[in-house]
Amino acid sequence: AQKVTQAQTEISVVEKEDVTLDCVYETRDTTYYLFWYKQPPSGELVFLIRRNSFDEQNEISGRYSWNFQKSTSSFNFTITASQVVDSAVYFCALSEAGRNQGGKLIFGQGTELSVKP
Amino acid sequence: EPEVTQTPSHQVTQMGQEVILRCVPISNHLYFYWYRQILGQKVEFLVSFYNNEISEKSEIFDDQFSVERPDGSNFTLKIRSTKLEDSAMYFCASSRGGEAFFGQGTRLTVV
Repeated sequence: AQKVTQAQTEISVVEKEDVTLDCVYETRDTTYYLFWYKQPPSGELVFLIRRNSFDEQNEISGRYSWNFQKSTSSFNFTITASQVVDSAVYFCALSEAGRNQGGKLIFGQGTELSVKP
Repeated sequence: EPEVTQTPSHQVTQMGQEVILRCVPISNHLYFYWYRQILGQKVEFLVSFYNNEISEKSEIFDDQFSVERPDGSNFTLKIRSTKLEDSAMYFCASSRGGEAFFGQGTRLTVV
């Protein structure tokens, strides 16, 4: 069965600190997709990144970076120089590949990040 | 920028009543989904819909739930007889086969 674990329930940092959100997943599929979504206090789910299981290259987008390590089944998310606007719940998610490559997402429990000024 | 639109944003209903949650997916998307998030908990998959039929559903999606794409643009979730435990945020999502884009959600409160 597929499972996503985000062991950190809450993280609190001071603005400008770097912070890493951990995500560990379980799947028997050899081909799968991993995602991160942001849920700000307003409640919507905002797509941040999708990574397929064959692409272990790290990715950087501005202050955001992602580290995918298949050997440890982890897909961690780092925010560099955090800002108050980064305060949100962050969800890691997994889906199996196939014709419906972004569907049936299995979400982790989420990590609530609080960035204080 | 195209987005998934959900209405209403908040619905209060009495236990036992039927509710219909409405969604307008992104127009060139082919796959449609409903997810549920009970307050403070993780987001849970309910159902996926493709080519005018349900392609997958979770154990949560029992006989009380149904989905429909009545007119080629709307995608609805119906709960026939609501229970207190149906109170949650319901998210609609759509995709072209890649990442799913989510609507703002409908907060359903069953009293």
